[in-house]
Amino acid sequence: DTGVSQDPRHKITKRGQNVTFRCDPISEHNRLYWYRQTLGQGPEFLTYFQNEAQLEKSRLLSDRFSAERPKGSFSTLEIQRTEQGDSAMYLCASSLEGAGSYNEQFFGPGTRLTVL
Amino acid sequence: SQQGEEDPQALSIQEGENATMNCSYKTSINNLQWYRQNSGRGLVHLILIRSNEREKHSGRLRVTLDTSKKSSSLLITASRAADTASYFCATDEGGRRALTFGSGTRLQVQP
Repeated sequence: DTGVSQDPRHKITKRGQNVTFRCDPISEHNRLYWYRQTLGQGPEFLTYFQNEAQLEKSRLLSDRFSAERPKGSFSTLEIQRTEQGDSAMYLCASSLEGAGSYNEQFFGPGTRLTVL
Repeated sequence: SQQGEEDPQALSIQEGENATMNCSYKTSINNLQWYRQNSGRGLVHLILIRSNEREKHSGRLRVTLDTSKKSSSLLITASRAADTASYFCATDEGGRRALTFGSGTRLQVQP
């Protein structure tokens, strides 16, 4: 499978615990995005990387959230001291930035986080 | 904040009928993309239309874009039960690379 993959698919945690999600983009894609989606809503942008550089962060990304893409390949999103309001689907997407590209973003299956 | 707003919020049709969903947005865009999402799953990219295009086809899908009205429509012809899903429009604005999504249209196709 050459699509975007995410791990884990589901995560249940207790309030106050830290969680980390992983995203593996399509191999030739140089841009990687994180979005969050709550029930009944469309995805909301969190952050994105071009190669290993984090170029934009949303106001939604509080100090408890951190994302990395150390070698410009896979990315991790960590949430520290989780709160019940963090319960959501966390979606990763990737795209190829370059001549002739139009920012078509391809999404992974998502990680559903439940904070008890 | 949500830029695109889909209309209707929910749509129920019979198999074989056509389904039309509309999307409105507020700012200038580079392109507009439509996605499908089955319940609890990830988003599947359907089609991208650039700001200088007015209509695009892909299989049973037809997308139009009217930049003067800041609106787009997605038409699914000869719908199937497997088309049951939520459909989202997403805009790529200005210099940003992040997509801004609407809240989606939930389509139910009755067999």
